[in-house]
Amino acid sequence: GENVEQHPSTLSVQEGDSAVIKCTYSDSASNYFPWYKQELGKRPQLIIDIRSNVGEKKDQRIAVTLNKTAKHFSLHITETQPEDSAVYFCAARSDTGNQFYFGTGTSLTVIP
Amino acid sequence: KAGVTQTPRYLIKTRGQQVTLSCSPISGHRSVSWYQQTPGQGLQFLFEYFSETQRNKGNFPGRFSGRQFSNSRSEMNVSTLELGDSALYLCASSLALGSYEQYFGPGTRLTVT
Repeated sequence: GENVEQHPSTLSVQEGDSAVIKCTYSDSASNYFPWYKQELGKRPQLIIDIRSNVGEKKDQRIAVTLNKTAKHFSLHITETQPEDSAVYFCAARSDTGNQFYFGTGTSLTVIP
Repeated sequence: KAGVTQTPRYLIKTRGQQVTLSCSPISGHRSVSWYQQTPGQGLQFLFEYFSETQRNKGNFPGRFSGRQFSNSRSEMNVSTLELGDSALYLCASSLALGSYEQYFGPGTRLTVT
């Protein structure tokens, strides 16, 4: 089955700096890559996603890039704010697998 | 539109007991997936239900089971609880089987003592 690895497991940045979280996957059939944000004590929320026919997608301060050849995708957060502090999860899914495989999460702390 | 709801939100059980958790998906959503979330392990897929049938199953023992009702509400059951079953159990609803976007409920925090 699919194996998704996520790095780093913890990340601290100063407010205003950028944060980058990287994920790799093993199944070349994976074609959908969502990112979830989970604040302490709250449910995971979808913040951005990308599909295999797109290399990059942006939504305000958040962007995701995908390199299908290398089988990795990354989350970029620019101009970080304290409210960005949370655990971020990447995931991968293929049509044939019909199941989401999650990374182990990155705990992001934005220091004011 | 109301979001995904889960009951109960917190549960304390002792080893050997069984537990049933409930999930009500977003209105109109027919697919429900269940996940176990533990520190260090992230989210582990348990199973997915669609049209009252289990469509996919993760790598969990048979003590973990579930079902889905005609109104798409789903329950999961864990029998003969072990200490290692302590976790946050999340359900997620999707419009249909194979839908890309899924929306999570707040979870049920299960503690086994």
